[in-house]
Amino acid sequence: GAGVSQSPSNKVTEKGKDVELRCDPISGHTALYWYRQRLGQGLEFLIYFQGNSAPDKSGLPSDRFSAERTGESVSTLTIQRTQQEDSAVYLCASSLAGIETQYFGPGTRLLVL
Amino acid sequence: GENVEQHPSTLSVQEGDSAVIKCTYSDSASNYFPWYKQELGKRPQLIIDIRSNVGEKKDQRIAVTLNKTAKHFSLHITETQPEDSAVYFCAASTNFGNEKLTFGTGTRLTIIP
Repeated sequence: GAGVSQSPSNKVTEKGKDVELRCDPISGHTALYWYRQRLGQGLEFLIYFQGNSAPDKSGLPSDRFSAERTGESVSTLTIQRTQQEDSAVYLCASSLAGIETQYFGPGTRLLVL
Repeated sequence: GENVEQHPSTLSVQEGDSAVIKCTYSDSASNYFPWYKQELGKRPQLIIDIRSNVGEKKDQRIAVTLNKTAKHFSLHITETQPEDSAVYFCAASTNFGNEKLTFGTGTRLTIIP
């Protein structure tokens, strides 16, 4: 079946602009995660959605970052007033409830000029 | 919360030799330990995982060992090949109704032909 998809694949924006990144999880996966990966660095956890439970936002670096998820489907990560340090690859992953194996999307490469 | 440390950060081995990457974790309640491989410009992909009820798991040239007493686990790659060159991430999870993974910082493995 289809894997996790993300759009856009690349995004170039000017400092101060808002951006929206989209993630389509694998159908039936109730858990969805967002990570940030700076160039040559590890996976930085941002936010986690599980079904209808309140999301775990403990990884969001500032109040400029927010994420929404409608039910168990699409999620959007929004970065307001982007800064150059926001430049990174933003990865989304999904998993089945009770199963920890996460399947990653291809990521969105964000460049803030 | 959980803290996962990974060593070494970079590793170079001759083709055909073995490679070992080690991780330690802090939360004794962790019971699920996956390894992800990320090739340059690609998404992380699960290559092997182990649960706390076993001490070792093997899949062809890849094996993972777990020492719950010492709270560390290792990835072993034998007969390394050029296509093994990638960044490898370990992770840990408690799976108590929360599949959130805590990732290590990654090991860049280079296989020298």
